[in-house]
Amino acid sequence: LAKTTQPISMDSYEGQEVNITCSHNNIATNDYITWYQQFPSQGPRFIIQGYKTKVTNEVASLFIPADRKSSTLSLPRVSLSDTAVYYCLVGDLRGGSGGSNYKLTFGKGTLLTVNP
Amino acid sequence: ETGVTQSPTHLIKTRGQQVTLRCSSQSGHNTVSWYQQALGQGPQFIFQYYREEENGRGNFPPRFSGLQFPNYSSELNVNALELDDSALYLCASSPTSGSSGANVLTFGAGSRLTVL
Repeated sequence: LAKTTQPISMDSYEGQEVNITCSHNNIATNDYITWYQQFPSQGPRFIIQGYKTKVTNEVASLFIPADRKSSTLSLPRVSLSDTAVYYCLVGDLRGGSGGSNYKLTFGKGTLLTVNP
Repeated sequence: ETGVTQSPTHLIKTRGQQVTLRCSSQSGHNTVSWYQQALGQGPQFIFQYYREEENGRGNFPPRFSGLQFPNYSSELNVNALELDDSALYLCASSPTSGSSGANVLTFGAGSRLTVL
C-alpha cells in the first residue's frame, strides 16, 4: 500500500492560493489519488480525485506529474472557512469485491490554518 | 439523495463493556467501511463490508466485529472495551465501481465513544 507524506501544518491568509504537496513514491498502477477535507468532529469530505495530469473542479485543482510519485492540491483564494485538516489518500478504491483487502492509510494530514 | 448517517452521535461506556454503533449508507452505495480516529490522528481502517461479508480488515483485534444488512446498513461492535478505544468512529459508504480504482468514499459525521 502506498504510504503518503504531507506537511504537518501550513499557514495562509485569506485570498491567497494554497498548494499542499503529497509524496507517494510507491504508488501502484491501479491507485488513484484522492484528497479529503476534515473539520473537527466531522467526517472527512471529498474534495478531488485524479489519476494523472491535472484535474479541476469547482473547489480545487489537483496536479499530478507524469511519474505520479507526488501530487499537489491547489486551493484558490482561500477563506477562513477553509481552515481544516487535508488528507492525501492513495489507493485502489474499488468498492465491492474488486477492492477487497485494501487498507486505506490516511496519515495525519495537513492542518491548514487560514488567517484574516 | 441522503448521505451517510450514524448513531449514536456520542456515548460513554466503561472498561469491559460492549458497544454497538450503527450506520446507514448513502442511497445506491453497497459497500461500507469503518474507521477509528483517535484525537489528532488520521482515520484508521478497521474493516469493510460488501454483500453482508467482511472483505478487508485493518490491524484491529477480533473484539472489533461488524455486520452488514441486506439494505446495506451496517453495525460496528466492540467487546471488552479498553480506554484506548476512546475515539471518533467513522462509517463510509461507496458504490461498486467495477474495474476502476476511482471511487469516492462518503463519510458520516461519526460516533464519539468515550471509555472511562
